[in-house]
Amino acid sequence: TQLLEQSPQFLSIQEGENLTVYCNSSSVFSSLQWYRQEPGEGPVLLVTVVTGGEVKKLKRLTFQFGDARKDSSLHITAAQPGDTGLYLCAGDPRRGNEKLTFGTGTRLTIIP
Amino acid sequence: DTEVTQTPKHLVMGMTNKKSLKCEQHMGHRAMYWYKQKAKKPPELMFVYSYEKLSINESVPSRFSPECPNSSLLNLHLHALQPEDSALYLCASSPSPGTGGFYGYTFGSGTRLTVV
Repeated sequence: TQLLEQSPQFLSIQEGENLTVYCNSSSVFSSLQWYRQEPGEGPVLLVTVVTGGEVKKLKRLTFQFGDARKDSSLHITAAQPGDTGLYLCAGDPRRGNEKLTFGTGTRLTIIP
Repeated sequence: DTEVTQTPKHLVMGMTNKKSLKCEQHMGHRAMYWYKQKAKKPPELMFVYSYEKLSINESVPSRFSPECPNSSLLNLHLHALQPEDSALYLCASSPSPGTGGFYGYTFGSGTRLTVV
């Protein structure tokens, strides 16, 4: 079973600060995704990374896929209260696999 | 239409009741999923339907019975549930089987189920 460990598990910071969330595994993934889930809602896809070393930006969010495709990071610049939520990474162990492996989750709270 | 719609949003049921959860999408997606999510935990896969056929059952107890009547609709029939089955039940879809890792999943808002 391929596991995705996220760190930190919980993070509470002031508005305007920067933060990084990590998603690590000992296994290689063909692609990796990040989702954000708000209370009472389903997860919403933020980004998919497929190439080792790939960096993608979504406004104040920067996503990176590790060179060996075993890990990923999410960096948020100048965090805002609207960034609050549960952040989930999810990996596809091999192309064409029918199910994703979800990470353990990072619960982020941005304090106004 | 880029949504997955789940009904009801909330459900309270007794341990002897029979109820059903409904999931609908009109994006032409041919892979659909049921997930269970406990508080402060990541979603756990229950079932995968590929082209309306059950392709993965993650050893889910028989008190949960999935059904895919057509390519747009997915049901989860519930019978004789236990209080520990209380959770958020999420439906998701992806364009076709095996493409979730590239295109991502579109999730519904979930059904908050409480078993009393």
